[in-house]
Amino acid sequence: DTGVSQNPRHKITKRGQNVTFRCDPISEHNRLYWYRQTLGQGPEFLTYFQNEAQLEKSRLLSDRFSAERPKGSFSTLEIQRTEQGDSAMYLCASSLPTSSVEPHPNTGELFFGEGSRLTVL
Amino acid sequence: AQKITQTQPGMFVQEKEAVTLDCTYDTSDPSYGLFWYKQPSSGEMIFLIYQGSYDQQNATEGRYSLNFQKARKSANLVISASQLGDSAMYFCAMSLPYNTDKLIFGTGTRLQVFP
Repeated sequence: DTGVSQNPRHKITKRGQNVTFRCDPISEHNRLYWYRQTLGQGPEFLTYFQNEAQLEKSRLLSDRFSAERPKGSFSTLEIQRTEQGDSAMYLCASSLPTSSVEPHPNTGELFFGEGSRLTVL
Repeated sequence: AQKITQTQPGMFVQEKEAVTLDCTYDTSDPSYGLFWYKQPSSGEMIFLIYQGSYDQQNATEGRYSLNFQKARKSANLVISASQLGDSAMYFCAMSLPYNTDKLIFGTGTRLQVFP
């Protein structure tokens, strides 16, 4: 399977514990995004990498959250001292940069993984 | 700031009928992209269709078409000949190309197709 892969798919943890999620993007994609989706809402942007550089972080990403993409390939999202409000689906997506250059114009479409669902008890 | 508004929390449609899902957007940037994604119960976001702000014609992809009305800042999704497998959440999203390409999503519309 050459799509975006996330694991674990489900994580149940107790409040105060640390959790880490991993995302393996599509291999030729240099852009990687993390989103959070709570019940009944659309995905909310958390952070973005271009290769190994973290170029943008949302205000939603408190200091308990940290994301890395050390070699510009897979990425990890760690949440320290989890709180019940952290319970959500964490989605990873990857893409190529938008380009209008023929013969391969690109819309910048994001390809998503199936997400990692976190439940904090 | 960019914003996407989807005012229909839920929609019902009978199989084989067409349905329109509403989306309005707000941005001051002249260059942007509009996307629709489908999210079935499995959770994965599936890309359906894209419309660029400078595209003259409405985008179409199979049974999906995007009714783009730039002056009204609307980008409604039309699904023709609905199928039972179309039952899912549908999200409208906007990006600013040549920037980070991050997507700003609406709150979604749950579509249920009945026989």
